[in-house]
Amino acid sequence: QKEVEQDPGPLSVPEGAIVSLNCTYSNSAFQYFMWYRQYSRKGPELLMYTYSSGNKEDGRFTAQVDKSSKYISLFIRDSQPSDSATYLCAMSSYNTDKLIFGTGTRLQVFP
Amino acid sequence: NAGVTQTPKFRILKIGQSMTLQCTQDMNHNYMYWYRQDPGMGLKLIYYSVGAGITDKGEVPNGYNVSRSTTEDFPLRLELAAPSQTSVYFCASSYSKTGAYEQYFGPGTRLTVT
Repeated sequence: QKEVEQDPGPLSVPEGAIVSLNCTYSNSAFQYFMWYRQYSRKGPELLMYTYSSGNKEDGRFTAQVDKSSKYISLFIRDSQPSDSATYLCAMSSYNTDKLIFGTGTRLQVFP
Repeated sequence: NAGVTQTPKFRILKIGQSMTLQCTQDMNHNYMYWYRQDPGMGLKLIYYSVGAGITDKGEVPNGYNVSRSTTEDFPLRLELAAPSQTSVYFCASSYSKTGAYEQYFGPGTRLTVT
């Protein structure tokens, strides 16, 4: 079993839709949870960061962590064509120097 | 700040050739990383460094070598290139222990080995 599982998509939605992106994980020691956004032919950039459980909201983006289910989600409200990118979840535990990435979900938002 | 810079942007190598991928950061970050990204496979850690003079293996280190003589630079060396090393390579840096601090990525180097 992989440490982090992520549905690769692709996911294609109309502009204005609500998008839900998800990752599951197996390592109960993970405490730091991140979502990175990667535009085509660019390096990833940090979009959302959550420590431990709970929700975090930033504009149209909401990150949720459910540690009891080992499940994290990223919600995008009122999606825009500019949101078209690959979204990578990433997580880490306190006693490591490494991030574990999901395989990424490719999202396309069409006008 | 330029952030994390990588050179070259593209490179085609013949099987058996060697090359060095350059990575420089100007943010005075202690931690630096090399990843490779294959289609549909996410980011795999090759090597990382927690400070000048200290390096350690990641998930897929075979066929690669690194050095960290300064805080700013973290070159990745490919010896005896093989087709399996065809990939996009990303360098990243963070201020301190990853997870607690954001990783900043470079623009990547696209390498083809034929």
